[in-house]
Amino acid sequence: DADVTQTPRNRITKTGKRIMLECSQTKGHDRMYWYRQDPGLGLRLIYYSFDVKDINKGEISDGYSVSRQAQAKFSLSLESAIPNQTALYFCATSDALARSYNEQFFGPGTRLTVL
Amino acid sequence: DQQVKQNSPSLSVQEGRISILNCDYTNSMFDYFLWYKKYPAEGPTFLISISSIKDKNEDGRFTVFLNKSAKHLSLHIVPSQPGDSAVYFCAASGNQGAQKLVFGQGTRLTINP
Repeated sequence: DADVTQTPRNRITKTGKRIMLECSQTKGHDRMYWYRQDPGLGLRLIYYSFDVKDINKGEISDGYSVSRQAQAKFSLSLESAIPNQTALYFCATSDALARSYNEQFFGPGTRLTVL
Repeated sequence: DQQVKQNSPSLSVQEGRISILNCDYTNSMFDYFLWYKKYPAEGPTFLISISSIKDKNEDGRFTVFLNKSAKHLSLHIVPSQPGDSAVYFCAASGNQGAQKLVFGQGTRLTINP
């Protein structure tokens, strides 16, 4: 079973729609992250959370919001989707207490297309 | 402002030869560097890392070299195998405890038989 799961894996939506991408993890990690990947730009950090009560903006948070419902769940919302939010979205986790605390573990990704 | 740069979008190497992937960074506060490997339709997976207190770290066929004065790191794969064909991302972290990674653009490595 995958340690970090993302739903849905693929989504096509229309401009102006509200979209939620969900991430769940069974690794017991306290820290969770949302990234987007665009061709030629690598992965860019949208939001990150160090525990349930801690939410922080990343490099490109405009147009996005997040919710940390539990230690194991971290959701990303697009309140009103626009075409330039078409991208591959990844959730990741890390363990602050691990020796390799910088290492992040990624989910399989959600491919989002906004028409 | 791209703080971590991988200037080669793609690299093609013959099976059995050495693959060298390069990465440059601009932020002198970065103190930990990682390489991730990504196959299509999958998330990135951790490959190897290096702390700024070292200049080399080796794990099997994979070696990462760090040149702090040049703000440059490289990943060497020897010998290259067809299964190494993937996109490789360099990532950097600074300010210990923040655990925020800054990624490069990625390099697509193709190993030819």
